[in-house]
Amino acid sequence: SQQGEEDPQALSIQEGENATMNCSYKTSINNLQWYRQNSGRGLVHLILIRSNEREKHSGRLRVTLDTSKKSSSLLITASRAADTASYFCATDAVRSFQKLVFGTGTRLLVSP
Amino acid sequence: GAGVSQSPSNKVTEKGKDVELRCDPISGHTALYWYRQSLGQGLEFLIYFQGNSAPDKSGLPSDRFSAERTGGSVSTLTIQRTQQEDSAVYLCASTPIRGAYNEQFFGPGTRLTVL
Repeated sequence: SQQGEEDPQALSIQEGENATMNCSYKTSINNLQWYRQNSGRGLVHLILIRSNEREKHSGRLRVTLDTSKKSSSLLITASRAADTASYFCATDAVRSFQKLVFGTGTRLLVSP
Repeated sequence: GAGVSQSPSNKVTEKGKDVELRCDPISGHTALYWYRQSLGQGLEFLIYFQGNSAPDKSGLPSDRFSAERTGGSVSTLTIQRTQQEDSAVYLCASTPIRGAYNEQFFGPGTRLTVL
């Protein structure tokens, strides 16, 4: 079964609004990563947060991690139409050091 | 090359035929992964190669699936006697293993359609 489950499954917003996506996972992790996928093809790495970190920023992206709740959130501020894509979280489990397990993804639609 | 490349980009085959999918990782990356993504779904791990170590084949769905990595570089995923449920996008990724930071660099994928 999938390690990560994203919610919502789909999100539709207007340009300029913020988008928040959540990810829950099941086992202890070394780190958690977020990826973006356009048009069902290759994924692009967005940000990595380690298990001992609680928050991280990169440009318009803000990621939080709560290891006690086994959850993470990705916030995209001031969204743009070009942010339309699917977003996946991926976890690097403690006993599976180098093997990422991906969640089911959130499909984000940003309308102009 | 500049990134991970995969070929072919699209493959249509008939049920029962064998197919080979190729992945060229980024030069110098020691780890290589294969994933499968069915329509509208997340990524399903298939197999992982790391240097000269024995590959982690724990994600292969059946013995019809196999993969090789020659010379620590190019990898080929082979699906024998394809079935319609094998239809999916097959994604390859590579990474330079460096401590706990294993960002993966993905190729564009091969879309396999089994008729």
